Amino acid sequence: EAQVTQNPRYLITVTGKKLTVTCSQNMNHEYMSWYRQDPGLGLRQIYYSMNVEVTDKGDVPEGYKVSRKEKRNFPLILESPSPNQTSLYFCASRQGYSYNSPLHFGNGTRLTVT
Amino acid sequence: AQSVTQLGSHVSVSEGALVLLRCNYSSSVPPYLFWYVQYPNQGLQLLLKYTTGATLVKGINGFEAEFKKSETSFHLTKPSAHMSDAAEYFCAVSESDSWGKLQFGAGTQVVVTP
Repeated sequence: EAQVTQNPRYLITVTGKKLTVTCSQNMNHEYMSWYRQDPGLGLRQIYYSMNVEVTDKGDVPEGYKVSRKEKRNFPLILESPSPNQTSLYFCASRQGYSYNSPLHFGNGTRLTVT
Repeated sequence: AQSVTQLGSHVSVSEGALVLLRCNYSSSVPPYLFWYVQYPNQGLQLLLKYTTGATLVKGINGFEAEFKKSETSFHLTKPSAHMSDAAEYFCAVSESDSWGKLQFGAGTQVVVTP
């Protein structure tokens, strides 16, 4: 089954403790992206990647890192999480770089930073 | 730069009644427009999209939307609401020269009452 898999689904952590949220897709998609969803703000893009070793900042990249060493994986790293990073996070992927291809989303990771 | 405004963060409709969700956008170049739906505890799924051609587009689950350039709108409708339509709906815009970067609206939560 074609899918985007995020882990974990739920994560509670403390301020400053490094964490990684994994994202993997099995569709051989070039484009991958991370979003955060906050009430009243919709989805905002954190980082995106056009292909292996090609990443770029989205609208809200501060406090996050990403890497794209393999085509299928695109982990999101929070080196020193803070409470304002408490949010619902989504990974998404798409065939090619074009607007014409739909985004495929994972089921989300709900992160709480205390 | 593109932006999206969804009117109404919450909409309540009776089962069998018309569903109308409003979306207005701003874009400096021809836009490409999307509606996504998010069911509880899931990622977003594409409902429909407008890229070029016919301005009335049909999507899954009986939804349709009409692109009106003069009004910069892309409202989503469904003639008869079903209980299963209860979800959050997001309008999104992508500009043709933006490598497919999507800008999402804040979302509209739809509640369907019996």
